[in-house]
Amino acid sequence: GESVGLHLPTLSVQEGDNSIINCAYSNSASDYFIWYKQESGKGPQFIIDIRSNMDKRQGQRVTVLLNKTVKHLSLQIAATQPGDSAVYFCAETPNQAGTALIFGKGTTLSVSS
Amino acid sequence: NAGVTQTPKFRVLKTGQSMTLLCAQDMNHEYMYWYRQDPGMGLRLIHYSVGEGTTAKGEVPDGYNVSRLKKQNFLLGLESAAPSQTSVYFCASSYYAMSSGGGNEQFFGPGTRLTVL
Repeated sequence: GESVGLHLPTLSVQEGDNSIINCAYSNSASDYFIWYKQESGKGPQFIIDIRSNMDKRQGQRVTVLLNKTVKHLSLQIAATQPGDSAVYFCAETPNQAGTALIFGKGTTLSVSS
Repeated sequence: NAGVTQTPKFRVLKTGQSMTLLCAQDMNHEYMYWYRQDPGMGLRLIHYSVGEGTTAKGEVPDGYNVSRLKKQNFLLGLESAAPSQTSVYFCASSYYAMSSGGGNEQFFGPGTRLTVL
């Protein structure tokens, strides 16, 4: 079946470095994508989203890139901080009203100072 | 606003016992969802609701039932708990924003950690 996956289960970076977290998706019909951050013991928190008619979207210290040709999504975090340590999930949906999200397995980001 | 709240936060059950998890949202969202999260896994959808009085099955619905009697509440029931249902359960809600070109951002509760012995 369709699934959203992440290339690496863990990523370790130094404070101040830029982080890149990757995600591959398989459903060509998906046209809306979200990145969530989940800290230990908490529910997922929205970071940034992107629609399929865009290839890049920027937020505060975060950028999401979408490559529909190879069905690849990435999250870039600039000047990574210890507070960015968490599990990051990408999720996809065909964006029909009320359609649930399909989540990938997650990448654990560890930031050392 | 409290956002999405879940009760209880923790629960331990014996095999065969039943229980109900309560989710409440104060954002007037139409859509509500129940997910489970197992170690090293992403979230998997159990059931969801697109409005008061409606429910639908998700990816892993077996062993669970849901009800949406009020718009702000979404209940998840386990009639006869099994050890395979040991997991962390997350409730989420979202607004309908298709007309404005928006997406399907879901707001999550803090989770309920359930252990079935």
